[in-house]
Amino acid sequence: NAGVTQTPKFRVLKTGQSMTLLCAQDMNHEYMYWYRQDPGMGLRLIHYSVGEGTTAKGEVPDGYNVSRLKKQNFLLGLESAAPSQTSVYFCASSYQDRATGYTFGSGTRLTVV
Amino acid sequence: DQQVKQNSPSLSVQEGRISILNCDYTNSMFDYFLWYKKYPAEGPTFLISISSIKDKNEDGRFTVFLNKSAKHLSLHIVPSQPGDSAVYFCAASITQGGSEKLVFGKGTKLTVNP
Repeated sequence: NAGVTQTPKFRVLKTGQSMTLLCAQDMNHEYMYWYRQDPGMGLRLIHYSVGEGTTAKGEVPDGYNVSRLKKQNFLLGLESAAPSQTSVYFCASSYQDRATGYTFGSGTRLTVV
Repeated sequence: DQQVKQNSPSLSVQEGRISILNCDYTNSMFDYFLWYKKYPAEGPTFLISISSIKDKNEDGRFTVFLNKSAKHLSLHIVPSQPGDSAVYFCAASITQGGSEKLVFGKGTKLTVNP
């Protein structure tokens, strides 16, 4: 029972490079989310999806794009990485059961130099 | 505009004592509240939740109290154990545009000393 799996776990990018972070869940959850965590900032929502083929902007969407082509996968893309995107990125998924919360992946630590 | 505030960045308690972590919120539209625990190099894990129609929810050593009039909630851990040492995030849930969103506080690092 893998839960939510994020790949890669670590990555170093040069400014201007692009990359895609992959999130996969095996719990048949409808909702998926991408958060970033920065020191002293808590978790901030980047984008989210309420089902296959849908995406929506969160609190800090600029510089990111997402796709949810399959229910189990949620991809986060950085088209032109900037040092301000250095962060730890967490993917999460959930049912529409507000009492049980989200299941998070273990994170991707991204450094943009 | 920080809607969920955890004003104590850190807390240190002795093993066996009570740990009390506090959280304040500003948006009265929040109607569900959750606590997450996070160990280093791991993702947050769900700990306990409470609906806005309740004032207390208990799960083993963990109890969450909600004071709606004060827009304040707290997490009590009794007795505290060294394995409870982690960062605890308070989160508040709101439904907007037909979908739920969680807003997180900045976290409180709890250290339980043996």
